[in-house]
Amino acid sequence: DQQVKQNSPSLSVQEGRISILNCDYTNSMFDYFLWYKKYPAEGPTFLISISSIKDKNEDGRFTVFLNKSAKHLSLHIVPSQPGDSAVYFCAASAKNSGYALNFGKGTSLLVTP
Amino acid sequence: ETGVTQTPRHLVMGMTNKKSLKCEQHLGHNAMYWYKQSAKKPLELMFVYSLEERVENNSVPSRFSPECPNSSHLFLHLHTLQPEDSALYLCASSQDPRGGSHYGYTFGSGTRLTVV
Repeated sequence: DQQVKQNSPSLSVQEGRISILNCDYTNSMFDYFLWYKKYPAEGPTFLISISSIKDKNEDGRFTVFLNKSAKHLSLHIVPSQPGDSAVYFCAASAKNSGYALNFGKGTSLLVTP
Repeated sequence: ETGVTQTPRHLVMGMTNKKSLKCEQHLGHNAMYWYKQSAKKPLELMFVYSLEERVENNSVPSRFSPECPNSSHLFLHLHTLQPEDSALYLCASSQDPRGGSHYGYTFGSGTRLTVV
């Protein structure tokens, strides 16, 4: 049973515009959320995270928003750049579940010039 | 060398072969993981080692056998695999999250495995 869902397999955005990637989760025990970025032939790299005690975390062009009541988080990239084209994975973990990072299937973002 | 290094990058093996995947981390982390990424599926956790002890095994078939000789090295021994085992196998490391803090993983580049 998939606990982290990324329902959009792909997204295309024009350079300079905002990219919004969405993620939904089902486990209310999740208390930490992360976004990873993956280029072809490379492993995922950590991008940004948010704790459940916050509803927003910002790092440069990247902002993650968390809506706990809706069990939804989103990653905003503003402004989008062609180098942002990659697969973005949402992940979540619960402090009482030990190690597992639960990943979504990923969303492939294409930023066009 | 820094980060998490996986070898080989690509591997093609027959169903009767025995091969091993290697992972090495130079980050001083004390937990290491094997993940499997199949097409159109989320990353699946296979094994977790902390301080060289296996602490989690997500019901992985016995044809996959992990080994963690020290905190910097992790192996995945493969034998009599099936074509459906073809996937990207990712190694990751982190600080042990059991201390109550969350740490993101650092991933290697993965081994692309094809079973023929």
